[in-house]
Amino acid sequence: GENVEQHPSTLSVQEGDSAVIKCTYSDSASNYFPWYKQELGKGPQLIIDIRSNVGEKKDQRIAVTLNKTAKHFSLHITETQPEDSAVYFCAAKTDGGTSYGKLTFGQGTILTVHP
Amino acid sequence: DAGVTQSPTHLIKTRGQQVTLRCSPKSGHDTVSWYQQALGQGPQFIFQYYEEEERQRGNFPDRFSGHQFPNYSSELNVNALLLGDSALYLCASSPPRGSSYEQYFGPGTRLTVT
Repeated sequence: GENVEQHPSTLSVQEGDSAVIKCTYSDSASNYFPWYKQELGKGPQLIIDIRSNVGEKKDQRIAVTLNKTAKHFSLHITETQPEDSAVYFCAAKTDGGTSYGKLTFGQGTILTVHP
Repeated sequence: DAGVTQSPTHLIKTRGQQVTLRCSPKSGHDTVSWYQQALGQGPQFIFQYYEEEERQRGNFPDRFSGHQFPNYSSELNVNALLLGDSALYLCASSPPRGSSYEQYFGPGTRLTVT
């Protein structure tokens, strides 16, 4: 089955700096790659996603890039703010026949933005 | 527009007991997926329901079962609880096929097994 590896496990930056989180996946049939932000005591919140037919997508301070050949994708956050501090998860979607497709998650990155 | 809702928020059960968790999908969504998130880990897929049937299942034992109702809401049942079942149980809903691949999560139910 699909396996998603995420690095780093923790990331500490100063306010205003950029943060980059990287993920690799194993199943070349995966076709959708969302990123989630999870704050303490809450469910994961979808922040950006990318489909396999797109190489890059940007939404204000957040961008995601996908390299299908290398089977890796990255989350880029620019001009970080203290409220960006949270756990970030990458995921890859694999279809399962008639199903909608399950998400396989990475292990998570704890991002801390220091004021 | 209400997002995905789950109940209860927290639950404490004893080993061997049974538990039922509930989920209401986001308005307009018809597919519900359940995930288990252990402390410090990413969510793990349990199963997915569409048109009131289980469509795909992850690596979870038969003690984990579910149901989807005609209004698209769903239940997750866990029998013969083990200490290792303690986790945050997340429900995610998805829009009808062909519109998007997005899965939106609820706040989760924190289950503690003692």
